[in-house]
Amino acid sequence: EAGVAQSPRYKIIEKRQSVAFWCNPISGHATLYWYQQILGQGPKLLIQFQNNGVVDDSQLPKDRFSAERLKGVDSTLKIQPAKLEDSAVYLCASSLQAGGRHNEQFFGPGTRLTVL
Amino acid sequence: AQSVAQPEDQVNVAEGNPLTVKCTYSVSGNPYLFWYVQYPNRGLQFLLKYITGDNLVKGSYGFEAEFNKSQTSFHLKKPSALVSDSALYFCAVRASYGDSWGKLQFGAGTQVVVTP
Repeated sequence: EAGVAQSPRYKIIEKRQSVAFWCNPISGHATLYWYQQILGQGPKLLIQFQNNGVVDDSQLPKDRFSAERLKGVDSTLKIQPAKLEDSAVYLCASSLQAGGRHNEQFFGPGTRLTVL
Repeated sequence: AQSVAQPEDQVNVAEGNPLTVKCTYSVSGNPYLFWYVQYPNRGLQFLLKYITGDNLVKGSYGFEAEFNKSQTSFHLKKPSALVSDSALYFCAVRASYGDSWGKLQFGAGTQVVVTP
């Protein structure tokens, strides 16, 4: 079974530039998550999709971050404009369903973003 | 609100010795508890989970964890550590109902270093 795919793996940009990350979840997984992992910290949920609808985006900085999952499969996370504090690893995860007892999340390899 | 504490930034252990990584949590109602491991430049890999039932949960790579409701703990253990177990370990909690249902809260992580 193929895992969660993410691209690019690494990205270096200057502050105020734009950047986009792509994620393709495990086939059949209805729920998709984007996390931000700052060095030395645990992952923090940015946004959660159930199919193509947003379930939780309470911690997404909406003035600069946006995400979409138009067809309920792959997803794109965008930052525009980037700030120095956005330097982090952006992890995508997917699960069969949002809640319930058996919704362990499977993570992609992440995209390491460096903002100069 | 739910939270997870991993009191040790780093755990050092000699190969062949027992390994314990500590985790305590706070959540409304019954918790769903998870352990993930992260190797350098890799995403998080699921190790094990506690949903209900037996307090001792067995997972991948010889790891196990013990759920202790009175102490609100979910410590990760391995009887005999390997050098290849050196990695970053994350504990996570999810509420089984309420506003945080489905939302995974991670601890800050514990770096495990196993020396030959």
